[in-house]
Amino acid sequence: NAGVMQNPRHLVRRRGQEARLRCSPMKGHSHVYWYRQLPEEGLKFMVYLQKENIIDESGMPKERFSAEFPKEGPSILRIQQVVRGDSAAYFCASSPLSMRGTRGTNYGYTFGSGTRLTVV
Amino acid sequence: DQQVKQNSPSLSVQEGRISILNCDYTNSMFDYFLWYKKYPAEGPTFLISISSIKDKNEDGRFTVFLNKSAKHLSLHIVPSQPGDSAVYFCAASTGNDMRFGAGTRLTVKP
Repeated sequence: NAGVMQNPRHLVRRRGQEARLRCSPMKGHSHVYWYRQLPEEGLKFMVYLQKENIIDESGMPKERFSAEFPKEGPSILRIQQVVRGDSAAYFCASSPLSMRGTRGTNYGYTFGSGTRLTVV
Repeated sequence: DQQVKQNSPSLSVQEGRISILNCDYTNSMFDYFLWYKKYPAEGPTFLISISSIKDKNEDGRFTVFLNKSAKHLSLHIVPSQPGDSAVYFCAASTGNDMRFGAGTRLTVKP
């Protein structure tokens, strides 16, 4: 009965390299959300995906960042040509329901432990 | 655009006393509000939520109050315990989006 699994827990990349962060949602969950937490800041929404579909990517930087959630396998957040400003904790969450639920729905979804990306 | 604000970065209380964490929001379209708790090196954990049609929701030692006219909510923890020491995030949702505050670090001293 594993929760949301993120790996790696820690990732160090040199400037210009690519970073790939993986997220396996809870069993039975088909909705995945990625958040970024910069130092001393709150959680910033990045992207919301369902299987094979990007539902809302309004929080994703327009360049270098991409996300996917294939039919099989984990969701991947990919950052190309990383820069120092990309250093942050990246959290994935999953839910069995869309946030677009009806009143009375508990919108609380389950977060993974995060991947801490450090760009050197 | 910071639609959810937690103006107190930290709060320290004595064990057994009440902890009150505050949160303000600006978007009147938010219809659901949540509190998450986060320990170091772990992901946030859902704690308690409240719908905009209510003004209070209680779960054990945790109570969330919502004042829609003031666009303000608060989390009360009573009695506070050392294990409650963590960062608490307030979140608000429209159903299409969820926004988080910057968090308040609560320290409960024995």
